[in-house]
Amino acid sequence: GQQVMQIPQYQHVQEGEDFTTYCNSSTTLSNIQWYKQRPGGHPVFLIQLVKSGEVKKQKRLTFQFGEAKKNSSLHITATQTTDVGTYFCAGLRYSGGGADGLTFGKGTHLIIQP
Amino acid sequence: GAVVSQHPSRVICKSGTSVKIECRSLDFQATTMFWYRQFPKQSLMLMATSNEGSKATYEQGVEKDKFLINHASLTLSTLTVTSAHPEDSSFYICSARSFLEGNTIYFGEGSWLTVV
Repeated sequence: GQQVMQIPQYQHVQEGEDFTTYCNSSTTLSNIQWYKQRPGGHPVFLIQLVKSGEVKKQKRLTFQFGEAKKNSSLHITATQTTDVGTYFCAGLRYSGGGADGLTFGKGTHLIIQP
Repeated sequence: GAVVSQHPSRVICKSGTSVKIECRSLDFQATTMFWYRQFPKQSLMLMATSNEGSKATYEQGVEKDKFLINHASLTLSTLTVTSAHPEDSSFYICSARSFLEGNTIYFGEGSWLTVV
């Protein structure tokens, strides 16, 4: 079945440093979505990328979708303490029966040291 | 924006009993809803895909007779954990797909199940 690999699993940064998490899918994706989960909270949708090579920005966050639609990255510039949490990528797939499902990466836990 | 309501947020039940978790899309119709399970410090694992008016599609390794899913309307899906055991204790979360927003998926706030 489809697999989505996400690295790194943990990332410690000093406040103000940049942060990047990467996702790679074993199969071509229809689209990829990114979620942020704060400790004790639930995943919150950040963004969806659909087009090959797409780049989207949300303030300090930059999201990229690879040309082959099999990899993606999330980059945070100048991290702040509010960025703490786990960032998940999720690839949307279509099954033969027409049912869609998201395959999540294992997440990258971002820890920020003041 | 779209809101997905999940209830209850926390539930404790005794071993051997059944517990039902509801997932409602409050301001949009969701023909497809998804149920996930998350163990501590682990990723979300898709359990099943629920389509309104038809049987749910379960992921490999998920017991369909233990995790009963019903999607009776365009705004409600339920997950029933039958004959619960302590190892079923977990965080269960649902999501609903909004066709009007290009396959964007909205998550409920999750349900913490503890089986004692």
